[in-house]
Amino acid sequence: SQQGEEDPQALSIQEGENATMNCSYKTSINNLQWYRQNSGRGLVHLILIRSNEREKHSGRLRVTLDTSKKSSSLLITASRAADTASYFCATGEETSGSRLTFGEGTQLTVNP
Amino acid sequence: ETGVTQSPTHLIKTRGQQVTLRCSSQSGHNTVSWYQQALGQGPQFIFQYYREEENGRGNFPPRFSGLQFPNYSSELNVNALELDDSALYLCASSSGLDYNEQFFGPGTRLTVL
Repeated sequence: SQQGEEDPQALSIQEGENATMNCSYKTSINNLQWYRQNSGRGLVHLILIRSNEREKHSGRLRVTLDTSKKSSSLLITASRAADTASYFCATGEETSGSRLTFGEGTQLTVNP
Repeated sequence: ETGVTQSPTHLIKTRGQQVTLRCSSQSGHNTVSWYQQALGQGPQFIFQYYREEENGRGNFPPRFSGLQFPNYSSELNVNALELDDSALYLCASSSGLDYNEQFFGPGTRLTVL
């Protein structure tokens, strides 16, 4: 079963704009990770945030985690056409952080 | 490049047949996890292997089984294939059971007719 719910399901923006995707989950977690997937291919790891962290940055990516609200957000700044992909959040179990439960994903389209 | 490889890339089978999918983990990684991703959905955890032992299983029937070998490569076997087994099968490797980053392979696209 899917733990995470992602919002929105689809997002279409212009190049240069920022994109924000949200993820909510239901159980206690060890970590939360964001992945990107292009056209049904393998998943690419973007960023991992531990349950005791609140914010993390990596290049144009910013992730926040609010464990009290069981939610996370992924911000992509200054988006590019190459950012067009599906984005998934995945939570690692409290007892085994490498066992991931994925959300349904957000389809991001960045128009040139 | 993640270093995780999967074979075959694509596979077509008919209902009732059996299939074996293979995964070579990244060098130095002793944990392999398998996921099933149906079209338009997020991946679902099938099971995980750590140092050749199964370490956790998702909500999948026993006809889904696996192995991990001494070199930490892995196989996913599915017996008595059903139409709903059509999906992208992904394996991911990591260097332990903790919250380490997972490296995913490109996947095997299985179609059951």
